[in-house]
Amino acid sequence: TQLLEQSPQFLSIQEGENLTVYCNSSSVFSSLQWYRQEPGEGPVLLVTVVTGGEVKKLKRLTFQFGDARKDSSLHITAAQPGDTGLYLCAGGNALVGNQFYFGTGTSLTVIP
Amino acid sequence: ETGVTQTPRHLVMGMTNKKSLKCEQHLGHNAMYWYKQSAKKPLELMFVYNFKEQTENNSVPSRFSPECPNSSHLFLHLHTLQPEDSALYLCASSQDRRGANNEQFFGPGTRLTVL
Repeated sequence: TQLLEQSPQFLSIQEGENLTVYCNSSSVFSSLQWYRQEPGEGPVLLVTVVTGGEVKKLKRLTFQFGDARKDSSLHITAAQPGDTGLYLCAGGNALVGNQFYFGTGTSLTVIP
Repeated sequence: ETGVTQTPRHLVMGMTNKKSLKCEQHLGHNAMYWYKQSAKKPLELMFVYNFKEQTENNSVPSRFSPECPNSSHLFLHLHTLQPEDSALYLCASSQDRRGANNEQFFGPGTRLTVL
């Protein structure tokens, strides 16, 4: 098992604030994915990053894959109540048949 | 129906009951997965089927028994469960288990409570 630690575990902020959540591991991954899970639903893929140092933007969300491909961050600018949910990172390892290992999750609440 | 559907959405069962969870995907995918999601723990991969063949069983107790009759349907048969098996059980599908990046599409889950 390749452990991915996410921080913070819980985050509650006001609408309009910025935030960053982190996904860290001691293992190297071939790729890393971020999912968002809303209450009562399954996770939905937001982005996949595959190159060390890669930065991807999805509207107000910015994802970065660490240079060593062991960690990643998700930055949200001007958070909206619709951003509320559980954010999960998942690291993929091509050496293990592309199995993805999920992180512990960050539960985000954006207060209107 | 589109995407990945799961039934039932909620299930309460006693430790001596036998029940089954059903998953159906309408995406034309070839790989299907069962995950267990418990509070404060990472998503745990339980079983993987690729082209109807079981390719992974991550040390899951035998009281959980998967069945994949075709690429669109996946079942999880439950018997003699324990209270600690209470969790959200998620089904997912992807184009091919071996594919790079392997985007998975999840169903809404079955919330299972074992009394």
